[in-house]
Amino acid sequence: EAGVAQSPRYKIIEKRQSVAFWCNPISGHATLYWYQQILGQGPKLLIQFQNNGVVDDSQLPKDRFSAERLKGVDSTLKIQPAKLEDSAVYLCASSLGGEGYGYTFGSGTRLTVV
Amino acid sequence: AQRVTQPEKLLSVFKGAPVELKCNYSYSGSPELFWYVQYSRQRLQLLLRHISRESIKGFTADLNKGETSFHLKKPFAQEEDSAMYYCALKGNFNKFYFGSGTKLNVKP
Repeated sequence: EAGVAQSPRYKIIEKRQSVAFWCNPISGHATLYWYQQILGQGPKLLIQFQNNGVVDDSQLPKDRFSAERLKGVDSTLKIQPAKLEDSAVYLCASSLGGEGYGYTFGSGTRLTVV
Repeated sequence: AQRVTQPEKLLSVFKGAPVELKCNYSYSGSPELFWYVQYSRQRLQLLLRHISRESIKGFTADLNKGETSFHLKKPFAQEEDSAMYYCALKGNFNKFYFGSGTKLNVKP
């Protein structure tokens, strides 16, 4: 099966600029996640979608981050305006859900804010 | 609150030596635990899950509810095992909580 696709792979922006990331999950996976992984840390959940509805966005900095999942398939994550501390790898993952199922991760987008 | 702790940031062993990567968790319900691995320049990928009690690439992990641990073990490390290893807890609503990771360095 095709994996989770993410783009772009790398992005460098100046602080206060805006940026958007795109994710295409595995076909049929109802659950989609965005994680932020800061250097030296484990992934931290930003937002979780079930189909096109938000299940959990409690750790999403909503003053600057937004995400949507159109038609329950692709998803975009946006940061506006970016801060230096947003420099991280942004990982998208999808899952069938259910007992015993793990995630399948995309390759991530490495964001550098200068 | 759900939490996953990996106390070692770096673990260095020689090829052929036994390896144990530690993972402790905190969770009030019945936990599902996983190990993920990230090789250099590759994406994060599932290594094994406790529910299937499998051995992958020679690695095993046993869930110890009494000690709230899920340590990853391999009797004889290989150089190709060098990678970042993340322990993860699956909580409510299929949400995963990750530890901070342990970098395994297997020396020749």
